[in-house]
Amino acid sequence: GQNIDQPTEMTATEGAIVQINCTYQTSGFNGLFWYQQHAGEAPTFLSYNVLDGLEEKGRFSSFLSRSKGYSYLLLKELQMKDSASYLCAVRDGIQSDNNAGNMLTFGGGTRLMVKP
Amino acid sequence: KAGVTQTPRYLIKTRGQQVTLSCSPISGHRSVSWYQQTPGQGLQFLFEYFSETQRNKGNFPGRFSGRQFSNSRSEMNVSTLELGDSALYLCASSLDRYGYTFGSGTRLTVV
Repeated sequence: GQNIDQPTEMTATEGAIVQINCTYQTSGFNGLFWYQQHAGEAPTFLSYNVLDGLEEKGRFSSFLSRSKGYSYLLLKELQMKDSASYLCAVRDGIQSDNNAGNMLTFGGGTRLMVKP
Repeated sequence: KAGVTQTPRYLIKTRGQQVTLSCSPISGHRSVSWYQQTPGQGLQFLFEYFSETQRNKGNFPGRFSGRQFSNSRSEMNVSTLELGDSALYLCASSLDRYGYTFGSGTRLTVV
């Protein structure tokens, strides 16, 4: 099984940098995803990490440490439109198994409020 | 290209009834997963279908079932509805192991 923890709420100021942490305890690990979800909308893909290290994509970066069961999502130059929930999700299964399928376990989500 | 299409967007049902939700994946995507989202439990995995076969299943009672057709479209069915089944039901399609695209969901209200 999987247990994924992330803070419930965070507040930050427009233009600032915010880091959203995610810790996980898993029986198997086959990648970690971050999604953004605005109220009433579908989750949208932000990033995917399967190897240790930092993945940068514009204003968003995601870091993974498999030995520590830890990931973070870094948002730079915050904009008001970044106010949303951020979901950390771990895919179960064996990394080398191409037939493992797609089963994500999500954390409870972090609701980020960006203030002027 | 068209995204993941879920119908209907909103649904109100009475306790004890059954409901069928539909999901049309992105063209070419053969994997379709279903998730339930509630304020208390967050997003929880229901099941995944690939090439018309259920490949993974979450911890939901047997009242929740699904299927996938040869054109990859998927349906999920919930029988004997309970108040606690009120939720946003999300479908996600995937071409491979690395990308999932979610539909806008079906918001089910059980009264």
